[in-house]
Amino acid sequence: ETGVTQTPRHLVMGMTNKKSLKCEQHLGHNAMYWYKQSAKKPLELMFVYSLEERVENNSVPSRFSPECPNSSHLFLHLHTLQPEDSALYLCASSQDRGAISSPLHFGNGTRLTVT
Amino acid sequence: AQKVTQAQTEISVVEKEDVTLDCVYETRDTTYYLFWYKQPPSGELVFLIRRNSFDEQNEISGRYSWNFQKSTSSFNFTITASQVVDSALYFCALSGNLAGGTSYGKLTFGQGTILTVHP
Repeated sequence: ETGVTQTPRHLVMGMTNKKSLKCEQHLGHNAMYWYKQSAKKPLELMFVYSLEERVENNSVPSRFSPECPNSSHLFLHLHTLQPEDSALYLCASSQDRGAISSPLHFGNGTRLTVT
Repeated sequence: AQKVTQAQTEISVVEKEDVTLDCVYETRDTTYYLFWYKQPPSGELVFLIRRNSFDEQNEISGRYSWNFQKSTSSFNFTITASQVVDSALYFCALSGNLAGGTSYGKLTFGQGTILTVHP
């Protein structure tokens, strides 16, 4: 299996639920990212992990909690979400941590609906 | 601050027409990279091209070509003889050092342009 894989593809959850999004990259990259894509908004960077260390947290509410157990796996733990958190959540990876030239490789995303 | 503007929200063409997607950017960095990504309905953003700020040569890859003009801060993308499979959301993005800090994938994305190619 190659590339960046995200599961699940679709998720519907109530505001009191706890769920997790999973991302796995098979590219041997050093950095992993969570992006949020909402309708009519640019892609928003949420978190960046470089060699399993969180190096970026873009003022994301604490109801989103990332976890990076190793350089190939990234999770986004969700709890007590709000309806406005409904969006497409994209995971990405890149080869060189901190290098502005490294293109990001994205997964297919998880379409999250909060009811 | 960095900014990427894709003024065209939606473009609709008929198959075999040529189409140009515009991208204008703002940055204070002297070293930066520009990217184009394609997002088909499946959701995955597919990396198309990267261009660094010191290389203003235009690039052609099959039916795709890119025109980078530093003087106008533009990085436009042209699809020649468009096909239905080109229908997607296209993003232009910018990556720079942001005043000396590390970027760690701080891609600044434009709003995206939805391209629809009709048969």
